[in-house]
Amino acid sequence: EIVLTQSPGTLSLSPGERATLSCRASQSVGRNFVAWYQQKPGQAPRFLMHGASNRATDIPDRFSGSVSGTDFTLTISRLEPEDSAMYYCQQYADSPISFGQGTRLEI
Amino acid sequence: QVQLVESGGGVVQPGGSLRLSCAGSGFSFSDFSMHWVRQTPGTGMEWVAFLSHDGRNALYRDSVKGRFTMSRDNSKNTVFLQMNILRLDDTAVYYCARGDGPGNWLIDNWGQGALVTVSS
Repeated sequence: EIVLTQSPGTLSLSPGERATLSCRASQSVGRNFVAWYQQKPGQAPRFLMHGASNRATDIPDRFSGSVSGTDFTLTISRLEPEDSAMYYCQQYADSPISFGQGTRLEI
Repeated sequence: QVQLVESGGGVVQPGGSLRLSCAGSGFSFSDFSMHWVRQTPGTGMEWVAFLSHDGRNALYRDSVKGRFTMSRDNSKNTVFLQMNILRLDDTAVYYCARGDGPGNWLIDNWGQGALVTVSS
């Protein structure tokens, strides 16, 4: 099973700043099949990114993704208060599909 | 827009059974694979099961194999998760989620979740 480790656990930033969220895979992820989701309290997760760097429909370009080897990064620029949420990475290359433990972003 | 609505959650004793349903709307249900994903404060997000658009290909995480069965009725735009021999560690919010194609594993839409509590 591919284990995903997210860091930091919690990130506290101010509006307008840039957030960098990391997701490290325990082994190579085929075709960089990593997705990112945002979840606010009491809500369903929201699909943000797929294939490491491809934004989902209607996701603003403040959100971007990148990959270097087994290290995947979600960057959120020009932070807004509504970006406060949990962020999860997920690999969908191998079964079982697996998720990181999440990063809490506080604005 | 895509909507996924879960039902059937509740409280059940260890060893008991429960069946979750998920009704999809706003898209051509039979063209998309479906997943169940569960979430707990302790273990976080955990993928549970996958079913292809036509119901022919199913995958399960090891801890639920032989106990959980995922099925679908495309005529009713509904997917099911039959959960048997439930254990305390099956307690979670269970999300129904849509794959982004007929056999695709990428999840692009989620329901609001159904709480399953296994307790004596």
